[in-house]
Amino acid sequence: ETGVTQSPTHLIKTRGQQVTLRCSSQSGHNTVSWYQQALGQGPQFIFQYYREEENGRGNFPPRFSGLQFPNYSSELNVNALELDDSALYLCASSLDSETSELFFGEGSRLTVL
Amino acid sequence: DAKTTQPNSMESNEEEPVHLPCNHSTISGTDYIHWYRQLPSQGPEYVIHGLTSNVNNRMASLAIAEDRKSSTLILHRATLRDAAVYYCILRAFIRGGGGSNYKLTFGKGTLLTVNP
Repeated sequence: ETGVTQSPTHLIKTRGQQVTLRCSSQSGHNTVSWYQQALGQGPQFIFQYYREEENGRGNFPPRFSGLQFPNYSSELNVNALELDDSALYLCASSLDSETSELFFGEGSRLTVL
Repeated sequence: DAKTTQPNSMESNEEEPVHLPCNHSTISGTDYIHWYRQLPSQGPEYVIHGLTSNVNNRMASLAIAEDRKSSTLILHRATLRDAAVYYCILRAFIRGGGGSNYKLTFGKGTLLTVNP
């Protein structure tokens, strides 16, 4: 059973560009959520997908969007990058369970110049 | 969203017990209390969770106050590998959509230093 894997691990973009981050969920998990972690802060919830549909969203603008695929892998897309988007982006997968623990990947470190 | 309050940092000695406190005075009846930890350069790792009763697992124990407004994570014998940021989190229900609609609201956590 493989864990949650994310790619790329590090990337650098310039302001105004677009970025796509990818996540491969743990086997058998049908729920994926994305979090943004700024330096020195705790992770902040961006959104959650369940069976390819977004079913929860945090306080992030529409330029943050996502996709979940039939194999439960997912993408986080960010358009019109801003300097404040520089952060560690974490993907977490879980079973569809009320108390299920989340399994996090190691994250993608995005730097916006 | 209900919030949690934790000390910014704590220090412990190896092989001694550690009690990490968390206040969550605005917790609602449906919020689960979760603890995660994050080692340097890694994603958060699940530690333990509970609703009303105290809980034990192989990693730690969770003591929940009777009024649920506070909780304490207990590491029975700290090791150097336990040095991490520990997050006390309320897992809150998100209205709308299908599936289990829960999100984790992280605070800044407690940086635990373990001295050899």
